[in-house]
Amino acid sequence: SAVISQKPSRDICQRGTSLTIQCQVDSQVTMMFWYRQQPGQSLTLIATANQGSEATYESGFVIDKFPISRPNLTFSTLTVSNMSPEDSSIYLCSVGGVEGGAIEQYFGPGTRLTVT
Amino acid sequence: ELKVEQNPLFLSMQEGKNYTIYCNYSTTSDRLYWYRQDPGKSLESLFVLLSNGAVKQEGRLMASLDTKARLSTLHITAAVHDLSATYFCAGATGNTPLVFGKGTRLSVIA
Repeated sequence: SAVISQKPSRDICQRGTSLTIQCQVDSQVTMMFWYRQQPGQSLTLIATANQGSEATYESGFVIDKFPISRPNLTFSTLTVSNMSPEDSSIYLCSVGGVEGGAIEQYFGPGTRLTVT
Repeated sequence: ELKVEQNPLFLSMQEGKNYTIYCNYSTTSDRLYWYRQDPGKSLESLFVLLSNGAVKQEGRLMASLDTKARLSTLHITAAVHDLSATYFCAGATGNTPLVFGKGTRLSVIA
């Protein structure tokens, strides 16, 4: 299974500022995703991070607000821009890979963001 | 568009009892996942189900998939307190990302 690390693990940020979250995987992976989990809620996909091209965003999420980079097959960043209290959530990096004939999808430890 | 519905959303059960969490999905899904999330933690993969009739078991948890009914179940046998967590099911087709249900918050009480 893939080992995923995220930095920072948590942060408290002021309204109007931006935060960049890093996701590092211990092996090369094709599929990498960013999810948001608002307090007490399920997971919502923000975007698929594509290596070498622009990320593919889900409805309701835009590149200006959540720019994503993916310079190689083991690393990606998600920036939460011009933050407001509504952005307070856990942000999770996830990677997919084939293991034992099945497509597994693993999740990083998450970044807990609080916007004041 | 794939939609995934779980029920119940909240479940309080006594230790030693059995119960089932249900996961319905709206369109064809190649695979169905079950995850566990403890408070303040990330998601832990429990099962991946690929085909009709698939059944997987790990300890007190057993997951099954009925693709014709578009239904997966997570059965809990003789619950213990350590199983208290939120359980999510998620479906996907092809290389598309997972679509999650709302989760079932399970509390096992003595």
